[in-house]
Amino acid sequence: GDSVTQMEGPVTLSEEAFLTINCTYTATGYPSLFWYVQYPGEGLQLLLKATKADDKGSNKGFEATYRKETTSFHLEKGSVQVSDSAVYFCALSSTGNQFYFGTGTSLTVIP
Amino acid sequence: NAGVMQNPRHLVRRRGQEARLRCSPMKGHSHVYWYRQLPEEGLKFMVYLQKENIIDESGMPKERFSAEFPKEGPSILRIQQVVRGDSAAYFCASSPRADTIYFGEGSWLTVV
Repeated sequence: GDSVTQMEGPVTLSEEAFLTINCTYTATGYPSLFWYVQYPGEGLQLLLKATKADDKGSNKGFEATYRKETTSFHLEKGSVQVSDSAVYFCALSSTGNQFYFGTGTSLTVIP
Repeated sequence: NAGVMQNPRHLVRRRGQEARLRCSPMKGHSHVYWYRQLPEEGLKFMVYLQKENIIDESGMPKERFSAEFPKEGPSILRIQQVVRGDSAAYFCASSPRADTIYFGEGSWLTVV
């Protein structure tokens, strides 16, 4: 069945460091891929998405490229800020009936 | 355009009571999903509904849990005879076309 595996955390970075959070997936067909971000005590917010191979999703300095050949959708940001501290979830959907989420990666950015 | 609205945000129930969680999807969204998030765990799919229909309930526990999305009004997730293990955050999400889902702020259930 469909599933998402993402890098385990927690991840701690200094401000302005480069961020990569790895995400790989298993799916039948051609899923859409997503990154969501969750701040403490809040719901998940859509960060970016890509719907087909080689698409790049981007938002707020974050980027992820849909790589069909490696079944990956790694999240990157060139220079993180303290305000980026949150939990990041990779997700996929093949049919729209279910959206499958990874276990989340906690990021803490220290000044 | 208001986001997905969930209430109550926090609910405390004694073991054996019923918990009823409500979700109003975003305007124009006819697809509703419920997820559960246990402490220190990821999101687990529970159920997917469209107006008056349950499309996929493969993630719902077989007993005590039910969901509905009536023609009028919010979607309801109902948990009967709650137990301590039901303590979790319950998130509702909605979508216009089942292509991208948008989450509410969540309802935190504590069973004492």
